[in-house]
Amino acid sequence: AQSVAQPEDQVNVAEGNPLTVKCTYSVSGNPYLFWYVQYPNRGLQFLLKYITGDNLVKGSYGFEAEFNKSQTSFHLKKPSALVSDSALYFCAVRDGYSGNTPLVFGKGTRLSVIA
Amino acid sequence: GAVVSQHPSWVICKSGTSVKIECRSLDFQATTMFWYRQFPKQSLMLMATSNEGSKATYEQGVEKDKFLINHASLTLSTLTVTSAHPEDSSFYICSARGAGTGDNTGELFFGEGSRLTVL
Repeated sequence: AQSVAQPEDQVNVAEGNPLTVKCTYSVSGNPYLFWYVQYPNRGLQFLLKYITGDNLVKGSYGFEAEFNKSQTSFHLKKPSALVSDSALYFCAVRDGYSGNTPLVFGKGTRLSVIA
Repeated sequence: GAVVSQHPSWVICKSGTSVKIECRSLDFQATTMFWYRQFPKQSLMLMATSNEGSKATYEQGVEKDKFLINHASLTLSTLTVTSAHPEDSSFYICSARGAGTGDNTGELFFGEGSRLTVL
């Protein structure tokens, strides 16, 4: 079975500082990993994904994430946070070997960037 | 990226009535759509997987007679909440995966969500 853990419910960071939102996963096959962002009363917006290749993945709005197989982690990072980055962030995984399977989401981490 | 549209965005209904939520893929054909439910301050819970032209596959604990899913065409899936009760109040989000793109990378395109409030 697939699972995702986001250990932090809330992350607070000052504007201009680097931010990290943590994610660890469990999957039986090859992990396909994703980050999505959700603004209030809105659907999810895709940020980035890791399928294969370079462990460091760059995505939208200056975000990046690093795939670490040994630690089964896929932490989301940004070098310099903006107030507009404040939102709810979801990490998701699917088993790449299991065909047309849905994504399994973590419980989400609320990021608050303070000016 | 591809666009998925949900309608309505907001709906308020009386207890006992049925509500239909539409999910449309606007610029691609979606052989598979997924319906998620999100409770306040919680993650997305997969309700069912909808495949065009066949019956939906429901997750454990989701009542198929309560949440009717129809995927009659490659661009439209509907979720009908039958005999809605206040505990059905939630944020419902659909997502779609394209057809024939050769994309097995799993990226889903999400609708904007539909907030249902049952009085």
